Amino acid sequence: GAVVSQHPSRVICKSGTSVKIECRSLDFQATTMFWYRQFPKQSLMLMATSNEGSKATYEQGVEKDKFLINHASLTLSTLTVTSAHPEDSSFYICSARPPGGAYEQFFGPGTRLTVL
Amino acid sequence: SQKIEQNSEALNIQEGKTATLTCNYTNYSPAYLQWYRQDPGRGPVFLLLIRENEKEKRKERLKVTFDTTLKQSLFHITASQPADSATYLCALPGAAAGNKLTFGGGTRVLVKP
Repeated sequence: GAVVSQHPSRVICKSGTSVKIECRSLDFQATTMFWYRQFPKQSLMLMATSNEGSKATYEQGVEKDKFLINHASLTLSTLTVTSAHPEDSSFYICSARPPGGAYEQFFGPGTRLTVL
Repeated sequence: SQKIEQNSEALNIQEGKTATLTCNYTNYSPAYLQWYRQDPGRGPVFLLLIRENEKEKRKERLKVTFDTTLKQSLFHITASQPADSATYLCALPGAAAGNKLTFGGGTRVLVKP
């Protein structure tokens, strides 16, 4: 099956620093990837849709200057949390859909971000 | 606005029994519905997709039904095992283009031996 990886799996940083999270589709090309965040005991909230070769589409209420997304290739999307603050601490998960019209999404293992 | 509701209370069930989870939605007519499994600290894993013209779908010990009149999907785990313990999420595509998924809050299942 399709495999999506994320790196790092965990990151702890100081307030004010920026953190980059990578999302890779390992065995398929993904023109579209999705970024979600999940707070404890809550469901996934879509943050943005990452489009290869063009700007990301952000959901309402998500600051695009705060959460920078770059979809540099057909297998890599990055999410950079800029000037992170404790309230940005969360579980960030990416997903991708394989080409060919399939509707299911394949998720990465997630990145736990803790901002001190 | 669109709303997806899953029972937020954990479902405790004895091994070997059937677990039944409910997903209700409002203000929406999705072309399909999906179910995912999520283990603690991990990303969701796709389980099943059921289309609006399908009443029932099965995969091994899993069974999903889709009632577009009631706007409800039921997810059954038959002959449940402790390894089935996880949170189960239903997801529907957004009304807008792009097939973005909107997830329900999930129901945690705990299968006791």
